[in-house]
Amino acid sequence: QVQLQESGPGLVKSSETLSLTCSVSGGSIRSSSSYWAWIRRAPGKGLEWIGSFHNTANTYYNPSLQGRVTITKDTSKNQFSLKLGSATAADTAAYFCVTGPGEIDVWGHGTLVTVYS
Amino acid sequence: DIQMTQSPSTLSASVGERITITCRASQSIGRWLAWYQEKPGKAPKLLISKASTLVSGVPSRFSGRGSGTEFSLTITSLQPDDYATYYCQQYSSYWTFGQGTKVEIK
Repeated sequence: QVQLQESGPGLVKSSETLSLTCSVSGGSIRSSSSYWAWIRRAPGKGLEWIGSFHNTANTYYNPSLQGRVTITKDTSKNQFSLKLGSATAADTAAYFCVTGPGEIDVWGHGTLVTVYS
Repeated sequence: DIQMTQSPSTLSASVGERITITCRASQSIGRWLAWYQEKPGKAPKLLISKASTLVSGVPSRFSGRGSGTEFSLTITSLQPDDYATYYCQQYSSYWTFGQGTKVEIK
């Protein structure tokens, strides 16, 4: 059973870069059957797809965040990471790393990141 | 980009009632649609994939239907454990979520 665990700072200063890592156990990010992705939910808002990758394809990002977001993977550590530059209060949210074949069948517990000024 | 319009945003219902949530895609997504249930402080839970395939362990009172651009999630007899927020998600082209439907106690 795949398990995901997010880690990273819970506080980020405005204009700086938000960075999170997802550690994967019970499965491999090299799996050709799954997408690996970041999702977030801002307070009082709905779920928002940030970006995702598949072992056999490129990495794709939400157009609304394009230019600020980068998702990278470290296959040696079986981890993938999120970097969101020029953070603002609007980026305050619970961030989830997730995986699935299209539908999302495994979610991390989520980590709350607050952007402060 | 594919937009997903979910309605209603809030639904008040009593235990035992039948409720339906709808989700409309801005273009055809075939049957590449999933439904999730989210409760406060917890990660969302997958209920239905491919528009109508019930995930193992999900009660049979949940059902999904639709294809193309029109989809729905129905709970035939609302139970206390079902009060939550529900989201649809398209995965035909990248991923997009609906705005969510909060199911409240009437």
